[in-house]
Amino acid sequence: NAGVTQTPKFQVLKTGQSMTLQCAQDMNHEYMSWYRQDPGMGLRLIHYSVGAGITDQGEVPNGYNVSRSTTEDFPLRLLSAAPSQTSVYFCASSSLGSNEAFFGQGTRLTVV
Amino acid sequence: AQTVTQSQPEMSVQEAETVTLSCTYDTSENNYYLFWYKQPPSRQMILVIRQEAYKQQNATENRFSVNFQKAAKSFSLKISDSQLGDTAMYFCAFMKRSTGNQFYFGTGTSLTVIP
Repeated sequence: NAGVTQTPKFQVLKTGQSMTLQCAQDMNHEYMSWYRQDPGMGLRLIHYSVGAGITDQGEVPNGYNVSRSTTEDFPLRLLSAAPSQTSVYFCASSSLGSNEAFFGQGTRLTVV
Repeated sequence: AQTVTQSQPEMSVQEAETVTLSCTYDTSENNYYLFWYKQPPSRQMILVIRQEAYKQQNATENRFSVNFQKAAKSFSLKISDSQLGDTAMYFCAFMKRSTGNQFYFGTGTSLTVIP
């Protein structure tokens, strides 16, 4: 029972590099979302998706792109990494009609 | 817009004692849920307890219970018989049901259980 799987768990990038954080869920959940966690600020919503082909912006979307081509996967793309994007990133999924969310184990990203 | 406020950045409690973590929120939504999540050093987000806004009865889960005051928009967490394994960061969270189960989190309370 994998649940929500995020890869990688740790990543160091240089300023200006691009990368994709992967998120996959095996529960056939309609809803998926990305959050970032910064010290003293809790988790903040970056982007979310209510189904394949449908995405929308959250509180802090700048600098990030997402797409949802399948129900299972919801990758988060950093096109040109900046030090301000140093954070811990969480992916979450939930089912339509459910009040329970499942979180991945997080990705710690450092941009130098 | 939804906001969640946790006014206690750090708290400590003696093992076996009771501690209450505070949370207030602001919303114009009627259909929502409230949650407490625990985050140990492993950074995994662990659901502690949840409350449906339309239910007046306070939720309980073993040693964990909430005091939900809807009119006051208050949602505190009480941990009874505190254990060393309760040491963690605790986040209060609001989820609105209208658009994709979006969560809004407070800034967290770091709880230390002292042996």
